[in-house]
Amino acid sequence: DQQVKQNSPSLSVQEGRISILNCDYTNSMFDYFLWYKKYPAEGPTFLISISSIKDKNEDGRFTVFLNKSAKHLSLHIVPSQPGDSAVYFCAAHSNTGNQFYFGTGTSLTVIP
Amino acid sequence: DAGITQSPRHKVTETGTPVTLRCHQTENHRYMYWYRQDPGHGLRLIHYSYGVKDTDKGEVSDGYSVSRSKTEDFLLTLESATSSQTSVYFCAISERSSSVLLEFFGPGTRLTVL
Repeated sequence: DQQVKQNSPSLSVQEGRISILNCDYTNSMFDYFLWYKKYPAEGPTFLISISSIKDKNEDGRFTVFLNKSAKHLSLHIVPSQPGDSAVYFCAAHSNTGNQFYFGTGTSLTVIP
Repeated sequence: DAGITQSPRHKVTETGTPVTLRCHQTENHRYMYWYRQDPGHGLRLIHYSYGVKDTDKGEVSDGYSVSRSKTEDFLLTLESATSSQTSVYFCAISERSSSVLLEFFGPGTRLTVL
């Protein structure tokens, strides 16, 4: 059973606007949440993470919001750029065994 | 990129043959992971290691074995490859720094089992 879900397989956004990528999880014991960007034929690239004790973490154009009561996190990219076009994965970390659980990814297209 | 390399980068093999994929890291990370990526499934954990000779199973470990005889190398073996093991395989390491958790991936190995 998928513990981390990304329900939107794709998203298109105009350049300069905000991109919002969403992720839901089921296990309230996850202690960290991470976002990755992946280009074709490359490994995932770490973008940003957030501890479960925080509700927001910001790094440049990227902000991750965590809503623990809803078991939901989102990644905001502002402003979106064409180079942001990629597949974005969210992941959750379990301290039991130090494992990571990944969503199925959202393909973001930023239209110039 | 945390100094992670994978070899080979591409491999085509036949059903029933053994295959070993290698992950090499240069920065002495304790935790190493093997994932496979398939359409519609995202990344799924096969096996992971928390030290030399210390390994454990992940979500999709059937048909795979691993070994870690040195800190820097984590090997994934398909004892008898099947077509269902055609996939892209990624190695990763994790590190914790100042209450921040990071995970870095290698470039991937594309395996085709005919």
